[in-house]
Amino acid sequence: GAGVSQSPSNKVTEKGKDVELRCDPISGHTALYWYRQRLGQGLEFLIYFQGNSAPDKSGLPSDRFSAERTGESVSTLTIQRTQQEDSAVYLCASSSGDREADEKLFFGSGTQLSVL
Amino acid sequence: QQPVQSPQAVILREGEDAVINCSSSKALYSVHWYRQKHGEAPVFLMILLKGGEQKGHEKISASFNEKKQQSSLYLTASQLSYSGTYFCGTVDSNYQLIWGAGTKLIIKP
Repeated sequence: GAGVSQSPSNKVTEKGKDVELRCDPISGHTALYWYRQRLGQGLEFLIYFQGNSAPDKSGLPSDRFSAERTGESVSTLTIQRTQQEDSAVYLCASSSGDREADEKLFFGSGTQLSVL
Repeated sequence: QQPVQSPQAVILREGEDAVINCSSSKALYSVHWYRQKHGEAPVFLMILLKGGEQKGHEKISASFNEKKQQSSLYLTASQLSYSGTYFCGTVDSNYQLIWGAGTKLIIKP
């Protein structure tokens, strides 16, 4: 596709349920990032994938959060036993380089997660 | 450590100028600027690498003073389309991008 694609665009779930969010990066982009953005707040780093290297999981807030990516393709972010504080927009971004220091990020439109 | 953006919000009349600042307590390798419109994804504006360069994008330019560990974004003759939240992201020697809390810019006709 032309850009980073995320699905679903909106997800409403009940507290305690598991959710899975999907990100389809731009073809050929080796780097993929997940961010969380709470209402009116900045971008909170969650996890970073670069090619086949071990992911940087240092931003995951708890063991209820996990993410996978196979090679340079689709990534899924899973939140288990969702809590109301998990409500936020989850943004995915990809880039072509291996250093976010000087690489332009392309963002998806995000998944708005609402936990009731 | 999260960079500090100022101001938190600014309201302008169309055609007015604005400056948004981004400061860090750490030595920086680069500074990124993105704009996010309400309900949309952040969109890249520019990256400034250490060296004090200034870059431009339409009537939006930015400077990076690595000695002061800060960057400023200049919006000249603002247009309605400039409305949105501007985020700076700073990169230190660990090469991790850390985002500021954002500056909300409202342009009124």
